[in-house]
Amino acid sequence: LAKTTQPISMDSYEGQEVNITCSHNNIATNDYITWYQQFPSQGPRFIIQGYKTKVTNEVASLFIPADRKSSTLSLPRVSLSDTAVYYCLVGLAGGYNKLIFGAGTRLAVHP
Amino acid sequence: GAVVSQHPSRVICKSGTSVKIECRSLDFQATTMFWYRQFPKKSLMLMATSNEGSKATYEQGVEKDKFLINHASLTLSTLTVTSAHPEDSSFYICSVASGMNTEAFFGQGTRLTVV
Repeated sequence: LAKTTQPISMDSYEGQEVNITCSHNNIATNDYITWYQQFPSQGPRFIIQGYKTKVTNEVASLFIPADRKSSTLSLPRVSLSDTAVYYCLVGLAGGYNKLIFGAGTRLAVHP
Repeated sequence: GAVVSQHPSRVICKSGTSVKIECRSLDFQATTMFWYRQFPKKSLMLMATSNEGSKATYEQGVEKDKFLINHASLTLSTLTVTSAHPEDSSFYICSVASGMNTEAFFGQGTRLTVV
């Protein structure tokens, strides 16, 4: 399972765009990149998943360069409710494959 | 996405007693479920993988006799913390997966406090 490295913490202000980068140098050919969000005392919540290039959904965008050794989660115009821990996971998509969580990035959004 | 329900959401028990935590997949059949524990301000740590109808596979360092996992049906897995001690106090989270989906779904977690 590929190891991931993320910044331990980030600070932002309401209305700003936040980009969280994850490094995964040992990503395998079949691995997908998935991001989860976790609020205190709750289970993680799926945000977005991608394999290459760019993926966008209603809450975030995921940018993956051609070499796939890193990825960037982009949160547009954050609000206070986006304060949470964000985890980048790398592995085979879905199914029976266990998810190993790294340390995550603790994002604090300030007024 | 799938709805995963954990029960109870919060439990306090006395040291030496056993506690059972249920994880239910409400709207799809989960052939595989995962159990995690999480300490304050730490990441999720995978404890075990349970497959319906077979024995769970435990991660290294997790005592299988202390953390009993049963996955008797496609919609229910249980984690029993036996002879609980204060150091077992933690946040326990289950996750369900299906071979057809590309994301895992998590329960809301169970806060266990052993006094």
